[in-house]
Amino acid sequence: KNQVEQSPQSLIILEGKNCTLQCNYTVSPFSNLRWYKQDTGRGPVSLTIMTFSENTKSNGRYTATLDADTKQSSLHITASQLSDSASYICVVSGGATNKLIFGTGTLLAVQP
Amino acid sequence: DTGVSQDPRHKITKRGQNVTFRCDPISEHNRLYWYRQTLGQGPEFLTYFQNEAQLEKSRLLSDRFSAERPKGSFSTLEIQRTEQGDSAMYLCASSPRVFGYQETQYFGPGTRLLVL
Repeated sequence: KNQVEQSPQSLIILEGKNCTLQCNYTVSPFSNLRWYKQDTGRGPVSLTIMTFSENTKSNGRYTATLDADTKQSSLHITASQLSDSASYICVVSGGATNKLIFGTGTLLAVQP
Repeated sequence: DTGVSQDPRHKITKRGQNVTFRCDPISEHNRLYWYRQTLGQGPEFLTYFQNEAQLEKSRLLSDRFSAERPKGSFSTLEIQRTEQGDSAMYLCASSPRVFGYQETQYFGPGTRLLVL
């Protein structure tokens, strides 16, 4: 079954600290992997997108990594800010219909 | 604002009533998607259009749900005889048609539905 699992489910960090969010997937065939940021009550906003040939991609303080062999991805946030408080959703495109398969997200709270 | 817009942003209705949501995609995006998101979960695919053609429907889309995109621009999602289990955020996304596998979907702000 095509699935995307994320950990941790929630995370609280202090402003200025770094953190890493994890994503494991079992989608086959694999097309690409994206990380979205979703503020409370808003639609998701794309942060990064990677194909199987890309190992890392950065977007400002966000850096995503992909290991297509182990089917794992991580999103590293550097020097966190209060505005980083949101849900971060890992989304894998693939399977027989190349559909987007969403993880349940990691809820990040950055405290002052 | 040239992003995806959705209307209304919030809707409270009584069980058994019909509701209709509207989505205006980014201009010239020919793909349009509807998702449903419940609290603490990621979005679940409902249906998608390429231009005016509805190409795929999820099994989540019961016969009480219908979606249209009559002119290939805006889309509507109607829920008939609403049930409390329909309470969720309904998200719309659009994307341009690109070749390859790096299509990015741009999401609207969502319509939050509460069925009492």
